[in-house]
Amino acid sequence: AQSVTQPDIHITVSEGASLELRCNYSYGATPYLFWYVQSPGQGLQLLLKYFSGDTLVQGIKGFEAEFKRSQSSFNLRKPSVHWSDAAEYFCAVGDYKLSFGAGTTVTVRA
Amino acid sequence: EAQVTQNPRYLITVTGKKLTVTCSQNMNHEYMSWYRQDPGLGLRQIYYSMNVEVTDKGDVPEGYKVSRKEKRNFPLILESPSPNQTSLYFCASRSSGLMNTEAFFGQGTRLTVV
Repeated sequence: AQSVTQPDIHITVSEGASLELRCNYSYGATPYLFWYVQSPGQGLQLLLKYFSGDTLVQGIKGFEAEFKRSQSSFNLRKPSVHWSDAAEYFCAVGDYKLSFGAGTTVTVRA
Repeated sequence: EAQVTQNPRYLITVTGKKLTVTCSQNMNHEYMSWYRQDPGLGLRQIYYSMNVEVTDKGDVPEGYKVSRKEKRNFPLILESPSPNQTSLYFCASRSSGLMNTEAFFGQGTRLTVV
């Protein structure tokens, strides 16, 4: 069975500081991995995706993620956080069926 | 503009009163699905459809029905809503070609059952 674990429910980070959100997955084959962001009252926006190839994936809004097969991880990073990055972030794995993690809420303090 | 459109965006209803949430996509996608989002649980798949007239259960199908009579539409039906179906619902569509494709999500429908 496929599943995703996001160990951090809530992270607070200062504006300008770096951010890393953790994601661990369980999947029977080569995984298709995604990170989505949800701003308050909004739908889901795709930040980036991994299907194959280069394990360091670049996304929108300055985010990147690294796929590590040996650790079953797909952590999301951003070097310098902006106040507009405050949102909930979801990691997902799957092909036709997506399994989502419970989400990590990011708060940005001035 | 490529999009997935859900209606209504907000709905308050009473227990037992049948309702339908519509979902329409304009990308000619074969695959469509419904998810519900609950705090601390992320999104869980309710039903999915691989193409017209082909539907199957996801992880939490109890209390829901779907139909896929046309490629672009995938309505979610609650025959007898109950308070535990109060949730935020998302419809998604995706091309059947998996490589370099991702799911597109609607804006969500916030349902409250009292």
